[in-house]
Amino acid sequence: DSGVTQTPKHLITATGQRVTLRCSPRSGDLSVYWYQQSLDQGLQFLIQYYNGEERAKGNILERFSAQQFPDLHSELNLSSLELGDSALYFCASSLEDTQYFGPGTRLTVL
Amino acid sequence: QKEVEQDPGPLSVPEGAIVSLNCTYSNSAFQYFMWYRQYSRKGPELLMYTYSSGNKEDGRFTAQVDKSSKYISLFIRDSQPSDSATYLCAMSVSGAGGTSYGKLTFGQGTILTVHP
Repeated sequence: DSGVTQTPKHLITATGQRVTLRCSPRSGDLSVYWYQQSLDQGLQFLIQYYNGEERAKGNILERFSAQQFPDLHSELNLSSLELGDSALYFCASSLEDTQYFGPGTRLTVL
Repeated sequence: QKEVEQDPGPLSVPEGAIVSLNCTYSNSAFQYFMWYRQYSRKGPELLMYTYSSGNKEDGRFTAQVDKSSKYISLFIRDSQPSDSATYLCAMSVSGAGGTSYGKLTFGQGTILTVHP
């Protein structure tokens, strides 16, 4: 158990819908990262927050957004969902040089 | 061309074999190198973390980094069926500490099966 928690574990929704994925980092970790894992693209970095501030952006679509709250938990919002958004979404947290991953949320868009 | 290349396998070995997993990369700015293990439908689990060129050993695992060749390896000695998983190499330009920009770039992952 990495200490990073993610909810929900599974999410099934329809195209055009909006969903919110939640992540609680390890106690004391200030950085939260979001990654998307798909069969064709592998694990891809989406966005990083540090202590509530956006720190870096990767290959994140404009339909996706995220935020980190004062208690350091983070949410990833996915809107206008398409079939191609079906993937595993992981968050990771870090305090020093290494990132610890949560168990992921499996999103299925029908 | 991808920044990090990793042979997806699959790789199948008998129990007790020495396993060698490799990644090559093109971005010479990468300074931090990691190996993660991912079991089916689980999150990646950090196995090894190295900063500089050379070897680092932890139990049955040895990580090697050759920055001059842009090549990293993970060796697993006395492999066990419980080592069956996908192994992902990952790299970053800077560490994740403090306010650093710690984005990880991953290889595609190598699927390993160790059969009894």
